Amino acid sequence: DVKVTQSSRYLVKRTGEKVFLECVQDMDHENMFWYRQDPGLGLRLIYFSYDVKMKEKGDIPEGYSVSREKKERFSLILESASTNQTSMYLCASSYTGGISSYNSPLHFGNGTRLTVT
Amino acid sequence: QQQVKQSPQSLIVQKGGIPIINCAYENTAFDYFPWYQQFPGKGPALLIAIRPDVSEKKEGRFTISFNKSAKQFSLHIMDSQPGDSATYFCAAGGQRGSGGSNYKLTFGKGTLLTVNP
Repeated sequence: DVKVTQSSRYLVKRTGEKVFLECVQDMDHENMFWYRQDPGLGLRLIYFSYDVKMKEKGDIPEGYSVSREKKERFSLILESASTNQTSMYLCASSYTGGISSYNSPLHFGNGTRLTVT
Repeated sequence: QQQVKQSPQSLIVQKGGIPIINCAYENTAFDYFPWYQQFPGKGPALLIAIRPDVSEKKEGRFTISFNKSAKQFSLHIMDSQPGDSATYFCAAGGQRGSGGSNYKLTFGKGTLLTVNP
């Protein structure tokens, strides 16, 4: 089975801190994604990457950046955390075919719940 | 704007009932319609998906009905069980403007299903 591992289950950070959320997948998937999940708002795409060192903005990139130096690892960076970034962050991966295609489902990690105080 | 509207926000049924979750989309370029299931503390996982060239797809107790002309699709769960209690997300995917094979997967806001014993 595909395994997408997010390094932290819970994080508590202070306003203004630089925050790194790490994600690793073990299936040699080309595509990796960061979503944010908030009650009543569903899943919103922050950034995605379809190759090493490649990245594209999703629907809500403001206040975030990403890094993909190795194929299996995709990091989400909050340059200066703010309270409105308190949320559940989900990493996902898929194999080639784009963000998602009929034969290339998203495989999600179990999420990192970030609280910014 | 590429939106996927999902209803209801929450749903409670008795064991054996047939919950129905509905989604509507706007963009006729969408060509892939998956449903994801999320249990508490876990990331979403692909449940079932359909392409617009068919009107129905069944996998076990789960059925997607698709109405291309109305731009609507729905998930039906036959003989629902307490173990089906979860959050369900519909999504729609399609070619993302120019630039190759990348697809944009847009999620609905989710439906919290509770199946009482």
